[in-house]
Amino acid sequence: GEDVEQSLFLSVREGDSSVINCTYTDSSSTYLYWYKQEPGAGLQLLTYIFSNMDMKQDQRLTVLLNKKDKHLSLRIADTQTGDSAIYFCAESRKNNNDMRFGAGTRLTVKP
Amino acid sequence: GAGVSQSPSNKVTEKGKDVELRCDPISGHTALYWYRQRLGQGLEFLIYFQGNSAPDKSGLPSDRFSAERTGESVSTLTIQRTQQEDSAVYLCASSLDRESSGTQYFGPGTRLTVL
Repeated sequence: GEDVEQSLFLSVREGDSSVINCTYTDSSSTYLYWYKQEPGAGLQLLTYIFSNMDMKQDQRLTVLLNKKDKHLSLRIADTQTGDSAIYFCAESRKNNNDMRFGAGTRLTVKP
Repeated sequence: GAGVSQSPSNKVTEKGKDVELRCDPISGHTALYWYRQRLGQGLEFLIYFQGNSAPDKSGLPSDRFSAERTGESVSTLTIQRTQQEDSAVYLCASSLDRESSGTQYFGPGTRLTVL
């Protein structure tokens, strides 16, 4: 199977919370990331978490990591229409040069 | 500019032709990465440059793909004898150094279409 998996689509109403989920397979993953891609733009790093952490909060963003289940989630509170984008989960291992990305979750925020 | 730039933004070519894609990293960033993003798929690592060290070419899908970087400046990704399956968005990213590989800054990508 793929190294990093995400559901492809998520639709929420403006003001609701969005939760985007990601699973990965490699237990040696050291860093886990969330990137945002808006139409016509490059990927933007939103946040990242070290594998020895369970949670990280940054304003409206909350990242939860369940290392035992190899499950990562991104929660966006009070989702706005400007949050509509594709969100990529990624992981890297300490001594590797590359990162492995999921296929991306397209978040649609309805007014 | 302050960010990573790539050119061209779009490229349409005929099967069998060679193409060259260009990436200008953020000034001072020693690490540079190329990725390929096929429709509906995650990013696929292609090649990594770190300063003057030998590049990590482990992600290049075939010998038709090659990349160069002079020092810590511009990089070019060349695809020879393009095939239809090469159609994708090619993304370049740079980071300050290898240790900060997570904080990669991405360019807008080059959309390659091979007819």
